[in-house]
Amino acid sequence: SQQGEEDPQALSIQEGENATMNCSYKTSINNLQWYRQNSGRGLVHLILIRSNEREKHSGRLRVTLDTSKKSSSLLITASRAADTASYFCATDTSGNTPLVFGKGTRLSVIA
Amino acid sequence: GAGVSQSPSNKVTEKGKDVELRCDPISGHTALYWYRQSLGQGLEFLIYFQGNSAPDKSGLPSDRFSAERTGGSVSTLTIQRTQQEDSAVYLCASSPRATPTEQFFGPGTRLTVL
Repeated sequence: SQQGEEDPQALSIQEGENATMNCSYKTSINNLQWYRQNSGRGLVHLILIRSNEREKHSGRLRVTLDTSKKSSSLLITASRAADTASYFCATDTSGNTPLVFGKGTRLSVIA
Repeated sequence: GAGVSQSPSNKVTEKGKDVELRCDPISGHTALYWYRQSLGQGLEFLIYFQGNSAPDKSGLPSDRFSAERTGGSVSTLTIQRTQQEDSAVYLCASSPRATPTEQFFGPGTRLTVL
């Protein structure tokens, strides 16, 4: 079964607006990552946040992690049409384990 | 440098046939992962190779699925006696370290079983 569950499943916004996607997970984690997938292509790593971190920034991306609620959010500020893609959270638990992905949020940014 | 490559990019096969999917990881990456993504779904872990250690096969859905990694580099995922439910995009990823960190993904192989 999948560890992460993103919501919303789909999000449509106007260019320039902010987009917020959420991820919840079930078990304790070591790291949480966000990936982006353009249609028909492989995934691209966006950002990694460790379990002892609460917030991380990278360019227009801001990720928060609340381990007490087992949830994370990805904020994309000043969205662009090129941000249109599916976004996935992925977690790993302590030890040598592969990533467990959620089902993703499909973001559409309308110019 | 070159990223992760996969071949073929698309494969159409008939039910019951065997297929082989290939992954060339980034040179020097010790860890290699195979995932499956069904339409509109997230990624489902299949198998994980780390160096010379025995692979983690815990995600393989049935004994029709197997994978090899020769010489610690190229990997082949084999599906025997394909079924229609095997239709999906098969994604390969590699990473430079043993513990899961950033993974670098290939473009995937889209498998269609008729």
